[in-house]
Amino acid sequence: GIQVEQSPPDLILQEGANSTLRCNFSDSVNNLQWFHQNPWGQLINLFYIPSGTKQNGRLSATTVATERYSLLYISSSQTTDSGVYFCAVAVYYGQNFVFGPGTRLSVLP
Amino acid sequence: IAGITQAPTSQILAAGRRMTLRCTQDMRHNAMYWYRQDLGLGLRLIHYSNTAGTTGKGEVPDGYSVSRANTDDFPLTLASAVPSQTSVYFCASSGTASSGYTFGSGTRLTVV
Repeated sequence: GIQVEQSPPDLILQEGANSTLRCNFSDSVNNLQWFHQNPWGQLINLFYIPSGTKQNGRLSATTVATERYSLLYISSSQTTDSGVYFCAVAVYYGQNFVFGPGTRLSVLP
Repeated sequence: IAGITQAPTSQILAAGRRMTLRCTQDMRHNAMYWYRQDLGLGLRLIHYSNTAGTTGKGEVPDGYSVSRANTDDFPLTLASAVPSQTSVYFCASSGTASSGYTFGSGTRLTVV
């Protein structure tokens, strides 16, 4: 099955810094989603982005499906951005998503 | 507020007991999923249902069963709980193949 890798595994930032999280996958995909799991365990959908670029406030994401990677950008980070960021992919439309191992982000005040 | 409701929020269960985790969504999504999340192992798919009346096995289905009698409900049953089923369980739904997942708040289950 498809393999999903995320880097870095852990990231510590000072509040206000910018960061880039990466998701690599082993096969071409038609579906890709980014999630944030906050310190209370809630999983929140950030972006559905099988290709192209999307922006939502301080967050943006870019997926280059042909090169098998996606990037999540966090600008002017805040302590509330702390948590684990997951990338999930599916090879075909309608197929179940496979999750990466996540990047744990800690934003310090 | 539209979304997914999971119950209970947490549970301590004696090994060998039967337990049903409930999941209800009010978004009329066709597809529903059950994942478990374990430290170091990430999120793994247990069972899924693409539409009411159908179910399928995910990556780790053993020891679990599901049913999908209607669009809104997707209960997960542990017939005889074992300590290795201690985990956080998340239910999710998806309206279309291109709309992505919405997750419930999770059920923390401890089997002792």
